[in-house]
Amino acid sequence: KQEVTQIPAALSVPEGENLVLNCSFTDSAIYNLQWFRQDPGKGLTSLLLIQSSQREQTSGRLNASLDKSSGRSTLYIAASQPGDSATYLCAVSHRNTGNQFYFGTGTSLTVIP
Amino acid sequence: DTEVTQTPKHLVMGMTNKKSLKCEQHMGHRAMYWYKQKAKKPPELMFVYSYEKLSINESVPSRFSPECPNSSLLNLHLHALQPEDSALYLCASSRTGGGNTEAFFGQGTRLTVV
Repeated sequence: KQEVTQIPAALSVPEGENLVLNCSFTDSAIYNLQWFRQDPGKGLTSLLLIQSSQREQTSGRLNASLDKSSGRSTLYIAASQPGDSATYLCAVSHRNTGNQFYFGTGTSLTVIP
Repeated sequence: DTEVTQTPKHLVMGMTNKKSLKCEQHMGHRAMYWYKQKAKKPPELMFVYSYEKLSINESVPSRFSPECPNSSLLNLHLHALQPEDSALYLCASSRTGGGNTEAFFGQGTRLTVV
């Protein structure tokens, strides 16, 4: 069974810092990997989708990379802002069960003004 | 339009009540999902519908009954719930199969069982 882990579980940084969130998965036979943001008590907002054939995707201050062979993805956030404070979740869809998403444990990010 | 709409936003129900959660999307997605999320935990998959047919049921108790009346709508019927079923219930949709299965989530229904 696919297991997805995110490190660190919590992160606190001063405003303006660049930061990296990590996601690792045990089975490299994935369809894609998706990064989400979740504000407290709210739904999930899709940030970036990386298909299995891609190495990275960028959107604004966000850059996500994927290394399937090592079972890792990183989400890089440049010039962090207090509005970036949220929980960040990665999720992988598996090649054998394409419509089933396996979620990571999440990283709670606090950006201090 | 990448919106998934869930109603109601909040629901309080007694253990003997029957209620339904609703989810709607107009992106032409043919895969729709129900997830349950407890506080400070990642979402847990409950059900997946693919082309309006139930394709995955993650051993969810029968007091939760999903329904997909058409390609845009997904319901979750609730009956005789327990207090431990209190959680945020999230609906999602995506295209079916292939690599570009980007999932879009609704804002959730906060359910409290009393």
